[in-house]
Amino acid sequence: DVKVTQSSRYLVKRTGEKVFLECVQDMDHENMFWYRQDPGLGLRLIYFSYDVKMKEKGDIPEGYSVSREKKERFSLILESASTNQTSMYLCASSYTGRGNQPQHFGDGTRLSIL
Amino acid sequence: GENVEQHPSTLSVQEGDSAVIKCTYSDSASNYFPWYKQELGKGPQLIIDIRSNVGEKKDQRIAVTLNKTAKHFSLHITETQPEDSAVYFCAALEGGGADGLTFGKGTHLIIQP
Repeated sequence: DVKVTQSSRYLVKRTGEKVFLECVQDMDHENMFWYRQDPGLGLRLIYFSYDVKMKEKGDIPEGYSVSREKKERFSLILESASTNQTSMYLCASSYTGRGNQPQHFGDGTRLSIL
Repeated sequence: GENVEQHPSTLSVQEGDSAVIKCTYSDSASNYFPWYKQELGKGPQLIIDIRSNVGEKKDQRIAVTLNKTAKHFSLHITETQPEDSAVYFCAALEGGGADGLTFGKGTHLIIQP
């Protein structure tokens, strides 16, 4: 089975802090994605990556950056956390192809910014 | 970009009855339509998907239908059971596949015993 692991289930940080969310997948997937999930808004794509050191902006990239130094790991970075970034963050991965493959999700990191 | 509308936002059905969730999409070039189930405290789990070259796909009690002309697709769950209670999301992939999935806002399915 595909395993997508997010390093923290719950995280509490302060406004202005630099925050790192980590995601690791064990299926040698080329594609990795970061979404945020908010009540009534569904899932929205923040950033994604089709290869190591490659990144592309999704629908809501402002205030975020990403890093993909190794194939299995995709990090989401909040450069200077703000209260409107309090949310559930979900990482996903999928096999090769230009996205037309099932995406498998981790269980999420619930981030609170105080 | 792609826009996906999902209805209803909440659906309550009696155990054993059928449930139908409907989605519409805007980009006629979209060619891949997955459905995810999310249980409390967990990430979304893929339950079924359909590609644009077929009109229907079935997996035991779950089926998905696709009408490309009308740009809508639906999830059908028959003989509902308590464990079907969850939030369900539809999604669509834009034709080029360059932007990832666009999700609907979700349907909270409640199975009444």
